[in-house]
Amino acid sequence: DIVMTQSPDSLTVSLGERATINCKSSQNVLYSSNNQNYLAWYQQKPGQPPKLLIYWASIRESGVPDRFSGSGSGTDFTLSISSLQAEDVAVYYCHQYYRIPYTFGQGTKLEIK
Amino acid sequence: EVHLLESGGDLVQPGGSLELSCVASGFTFTKFGMNWVRQAPGKGLEWVSGISSDGAATTYADSVKGRFSVSRENSKNTLYLQMQGLRSDDTAVYFCAKGTYGNNPEYSDSWGRGTLVTVSS
Repeated sequence: DIVMTQSPDSLTVSLGERATINCKSSQNVLYSSNNQNYLAWYQQKPGQPPKLLIYWASIRESGVPDRFSGSGSGTDFTLSISSLQAEDVAVYYCHQYYRIPYTFGQGTKLEIK
Repeated sequence: EVHLLESGGDLVQPGGSLELSCVASGFTFTKFGMNWVRQAPGKGLEWVSGISSDGAATTYADSVKGRFSVSRENSKNTLYLQMQGLRSDDTAVYFCAKGTYGNNPEYSDSWGRGTLVTVSS
């Protein structure tokens, strides 16, 4: 199975500052035939289902604010929030869909300082 | 607007069975793969199973393989998860999630609110 490891486990950032979450996969999730990274990011707020933020590692889902961005390739990926807002408090998960079984990172809890 | 409504969650004894349903609306159900993802209380997300748009291809996490069975009834816009041999570590909120266009469910762009399965004596 592909193991997804996020860092840090928790993160405290001031309003308006940048937040960065890292995700490392135990195997490459870049499919060479289409040059796509099979990596998504989700946001989950308490009591709510996950919400898709980013897919194909860097494509922002429709309606997601442009302060959210995804980057990386192969085995190392990053979710960045350029200017943290109060409503961004949540747990964030990376997710590989390159190989069955699909797997998620353990989650990163983002809080306001 | 995509809407996914799960049902069927309940308290069940170890070794018991349960069937979850997910009724979909707001998109052409027959064209999209679907996923089941679960979340144990206070824990992270775990992909459970996926099914292709036509139902011909199904995939499972090792933790549920041989015990769970995913299916869909496209005429009713409904996804199912038949669960047998339930164990305490199957206790979780089960989310139905819309996958991507075509056969492979891949990532999930819309999620239901989930249904709680509790396995306990």
